[in-house]
Amino acid sequence: AQSVAQPEDQVNVAEGNPLTVKCTYSVSGNPYLFWYVQYPNRGLQFLLKYITGDNLVKGSYGFEAEFNKSQTSFHLKKPSALVSDSALYFCAVRDDQAGTALIFGKGTTLSVSS
Amino acid sequence: DSGVTQTPKHLITATGQRVTLRCSPRSGDLSVYWYQQSLDQGLQFLIQYYNGEERAKGNILERFSAQQFPDLHSELNLSSLELGDSALYFCASSVTSPGGGSPLHFGNGTRLTVT
Repeated sequence: AQSVAQPEDQVNVAEGNPLTVKCTYSVSGNPYLFWYVQYPNRGLQFLLKYITGDNLVKGSYGFEAEFNKSQTSFHLKKPSALVSDSALYFCAVRDDQAGTALIFGKGTTLSVSS
Repeated sequence: DSGVTQTPKHLITATGQRVTLRCSPRSGDLSVYWYQQSLDQGLQFLIQYYNGEERAKGNILERFSAQQFPDLHSELNLSSLELGDSALYFCASSVTSPGGGSPLHFGNGTRLTVT
């Protein structure tokens, strides 16, 4: 079965500092990994994905994520946080052996202070 | 704007009632997914349709059903509603058939309140 864990309910960071939002996954086959962001009263917006290839993937709004197969992790990163990055972030996984539905983690609230 | 349209935005109804949520996918997308988001359960996958056919089922209750029509819009029917069904219901669409790395594109959701 597929599963995703986001171990932190909330991450607090000062504006201008680097940020990391953690994600680990479990799949039977090869993982397709995604990050989404949700602002209040809005749907989820796609940020980036890892399918295959380079372990460091770049996405929207300056975000990037690093795939680590040995640690089964896919952490979201940004070199310099903005107050406007404050939102709810979801990691999601799709097992290439088990269909197309994305399984989401419980989400991590990112709070960037000025 | 994701291109996925959900109506209505808000729905307030009483226990025991039945409601229908509607979703229009992005132009060209053949797959439609329904998710339920609640504070205690997080984002739960309910069901997926591809080009009119059911493709995958998640944690969907027997009181809930869905369908995808020839024009590719989808409806989620919730019946015998209970207080615990109060949640945000999202529709998402993607271009590909089962498998693949295509992301899902989400609508803004329908907030259902059962009183």
